[in-house]
Amino acid sequence: KQEVTQIPAALSVPEGENLVLNCSFTDSAIYNLQWFRQDPGKGLTSLLLIQSSQREQTSGRLNASLDKSSGRSTLYIAASQPGDSATYLCAVPNAGGTSYGKLTFGQGTILTVHP
Amino acid sequence: NAGVTQTPKFQVLKTGQSMTLQCAQDMNHEYMSWYRQDPGMGLRLIHYSVGAGITDQGEVPNGYNVSRSTTEDFPLRLLSAAPSQTSVYFCASRGVGQGSQPQHFGDGTRLSIL
Repeated sequence: KQEVTQIPAALSVPEGENLVLNCSFTDSAIYNLQWFRQDPGKGLTSLLLIQSSQREQTSGRLNASLDKSSGRSTLYIAASQPGDSATYLCAVPNAGGTSYGKLTFGQGTILTVHP
Repeated sequence: NAGVTQTPKFQVLKTGQSMTLQCAQDMNHEYMSWYRQDPGMGLRLIHYSVGAGITDQGEVPNGYNVSRSTTEDFPLRLLSAAPSQTSVYFCASRGVGQGSQPQHFGDGTRLSIL
């Protein structure tokens, strides 16, 4: 069974800092890994998807890397802003072959960026 | 292009009542799924579908029923609501293609069972 762990559970930083969120998974036979953002009381917004053949993906100030062999992914946020405050979730397709859109999620990292 | 639309956004039920949470997507996605999100438990898969007429159970299916008569719609039914089903429910969809297709989520239905 796939298990996903996110560290740290919570992070508070001053505005302008660069930061790294970590995600690890137990079954490395994944097709991709997806990072999401969730604002309080809201749904999930997809930030980045890294395919298994890729090492990293970038979108603006966000950069996500993937190391399948070690079962790890990192989300790097450059020059953090108060608007980045949210819960960040990583998710991988369920283990066991074709995932059919079934995901296993980590517990999330709650990020607070203070002015 | 609305993406994934869930209705209602909020609902309060009494124990024993039944209701249907609606989910519709306009992206012609084959794969659809329902998750519940609970504090300390994260997001857990309830049921999923790989196409019209085909559904299967996820991690926490008890007390829920689904059907998929069209590609667009994937309703979730609570047969006899229990307080343990108080949660936030998310519907998701994804296109066919193993590695390159991101999952799209609706805004959620916040359900309270009294």
